[in-house]
Amino acid sequence: DSGVTQTPKHLITATGQRVTLRCSPRSGDLSVYWYQQSLDQGLQFLIQYYNGEERAKGNILERFSAQQFPDLHSELNLSSLELGDSALYFCASSVEDEETQYFGPGTRLLVL
Amino acid sequence: KNQVEQSPQSLIILEGKNCTLQCNYTVSPFSNLRWYKQDTGRGPVSLTIMTFSENTKSNGRYTATLDADTKQSSLHITASQLSDSASYICALYNFNKFYFGSGTKLNVKP
Repeated sequence: DSGVTQTPKHLITATGQRVTLRCSPRSGDLSVYWYQQSLDQGLQFLIQYYNGEERAKGNILERFSAQQFPDLHSELNLSSLELGDSALYFCASSVEDEETQYFGPGTRLLVL
Repeated sequence: KNQVEQSPQSLIILEGKNCTLQCNYTVSPFSNLRWYKQDTGRGPVSLTIMTFSENTKSNGRYTATLDADTKQSSLHITASQLSDSASYICALYNFNKFYFGSGTKLNVKP
């Protein structure tokens, strides 16, 4: 158990819909990262937040957005969902940028 | 073109044997290079983190090496165990961005 929790574990929805994925980092970790992992693309970095502020952006689509709240939990919002958005979405946390990242168990999203 | 290439794509070895996984990269400069182990359907687990100036880093039976001249890293697994069956992912961290390889799928057979 990494100490990072993600909800829900599984999500099935339809194209065009909007969903919110939630992540609680390890106690004391200020950085939260979001990743997408699909079978054909591998692991892709989406976005990072540090202590409530956006720190870095990766390959995140404009239909996706995220935020980190004062209690340091984070949410990833995916809207206008497409079939290709079906993937595993991982959250990770770390104390600082260069430190070890601890990954959560992931949310498996299926868009039908 | 992917800036991080891993080889082989998959590997089957017998329990107790050693193996070496390769990671070739073009990302430059970078702050650190990481190796992760990922069991099927689970989140990656960090094995090693090496800064650009380090040559080697060990974590138990896992030893990572880095050759900045040839832009290659390798992960050596000693005395493999059945529980080593997983995907191993190489990643480079460069100014708040991550570049991931597509992974090597290792299958350790009894």
